[in-house]
Amino acid sequence: EAGVTQFPSHSVIEKGQTVTLRCDPISGHDNLYWYRRVMGKEIKFLLHFVKESKQDESGMPNNRFLAERTGGTYSTLKVQPAELEDSGVYFCASSQERGWTDTQYFGPGTRLTVL
Amino acid sequence: ILNVEQSPQSLHVQEGDSTNFTCSFPSSNFYALHWYRWETAKSPEALFVMTLNGDEKKKGRISATLNTKEGYSYLYIKGSQPEDSATYLCAFGSMNTGFQKLVFGTGTRLLVSP
Repeated sequence: EAGVTQFPSHSVIEKGQTVTLRCDPISGHDNLYWYRRVMGKEIKFLLHFVKESKQDESGMPNNRFLAERTGGTYSTLKVQPAELEDSGVYFCASSQERGWTDTQYFGPGTRLTVL
Repeated sequence: ILNVEQSPQSLHVQEGDSTNFTCSFPSSNFYALHWYRWETAKSPEALFVMTLNGDEKKKGRISATLNTKEGYSYLYIKGSQPEDSATYLCAFGSMNTGFQKLVFGTGTRLLVSP
């Protein structure tokens, strides 16, 4: 069974440009999460989808970030316009069940560098 | 603000040594504690999900214990091997964080020398 995949693995853009990150969860997983790790700090929650609906987007830093999950399958996270402080590793995770006890399976992350 | 603290920040041991790390979390409204093993540029690998006070879980040479009343979990590695080198992350879920939002610690970076 394929794990969570993310594309691209790396992205280097200039301040003010737009970047779109993609996440493909494990097949059959209704729950999809985005997290971010800024260098040297902890991984922080951004948002949680249940199927195509945003369940919790309390961690989204500002309105330059837009996440979508059309059709309840893959998800995209768009940053527009990108700022220097957006640099970091963006992780996607998925889980089958809805509850704190269910394992969240993580992808390898997209390393975003904003110059 | 809910903080998860991990110690030590980094650890360097010799092959064959046994080691342990600590994860401290708020004990109120506890629901679950997750441990992950993460090698840079790879996916964080889920090790354990722990929910019950006094719980102990084991996976090969790695084991973990949980104390929800005092708010800590220990991760033990017996007979460390170079392939155990990684960052070990704990993440906490509670009623206060809401649904499945996990709050992560900054991790313990383990280096095992041959």
